[in-house]
Amino acid sequence: GQNIDQPTEMTATEGAIVQINCTYQTSGFNGLFWYQQHAGEAPTFLSYNVLDGLEEKGRFSSFLSRSKGYSYLLLKELQMKDSASYLCAVRDRNDYKLSFGAGTTVTVRA
Amino acid sequence: DTAVSQTPKYLVTQMGNDKSIKCEQNLGHDTMYWYKQDSKKFLKIMFSYNNKELIINETVPNRFSPKSPDKAHLNLHINSLELGDSAVYFCASSQTSQAGELFFGEGSRLTVL
Repeated sequence: GQNIDQPTEMTATEGAIVQINCTYQTSGFNGLFWYQQHAGEAPTFLSYNVLDGLEEKGRFSSFLSRSKGYSYLLLKELQMKDSASYLCAVRDRNDYKLSFGAGTTVTVRA
Repeated sequence: DTAVSQTPKYLVTQMGNDKSIKCEQNLGHDTMYWYKQDSKKFLKIMFSYNNKELIINETVPNRFSPKSPDKAHLNLHINSLELGDSAVYFCASSQTSQAGELFFGEGSRLTVL
């Protein structure tokens, strides 16, 4: 199975940068995913890493180090609409099951 | 058109009752899921079906029974509801069982009194 850890809450100012860390332990790694979930809404897919390195997608970037069991999601030029919960998820290579962390609630302040 | 739709959106019921939540996806995906999100926002997989076949069955009480009449539909029936069943239940789909990009429905908030 997977053990996924991420901070519970983070606060940042509009226009700033925030980095959300995620560490994981897994018996069989097959990809790391980040999802965004606004309060009261469904999670939506943000990014996917299966190889080490940085994947950039507009204002959002995600990094993976498989040897360290570590990923981060970087949110740049923060906007008020980025206030949401960010979920780190790890896929198992045996059954392709996606297991989620508890999520990090990011609050963007003016 | 909503890609993954589930009904009802809200469900309030008494302990001991039986209830169902329905889910439909119009994306042509092969795989569908039920996830449970508790009050601490922890999203946990319950079941997954690929082309109507059960492929993931996590350790959930057998009071929970999924049914997939076809690959576009996955329903969840819950018997003898308990207080601890109160949660938001999300249906999701993915193109294949190996895809990690899941498309979630809006969720069904179940409250057991």
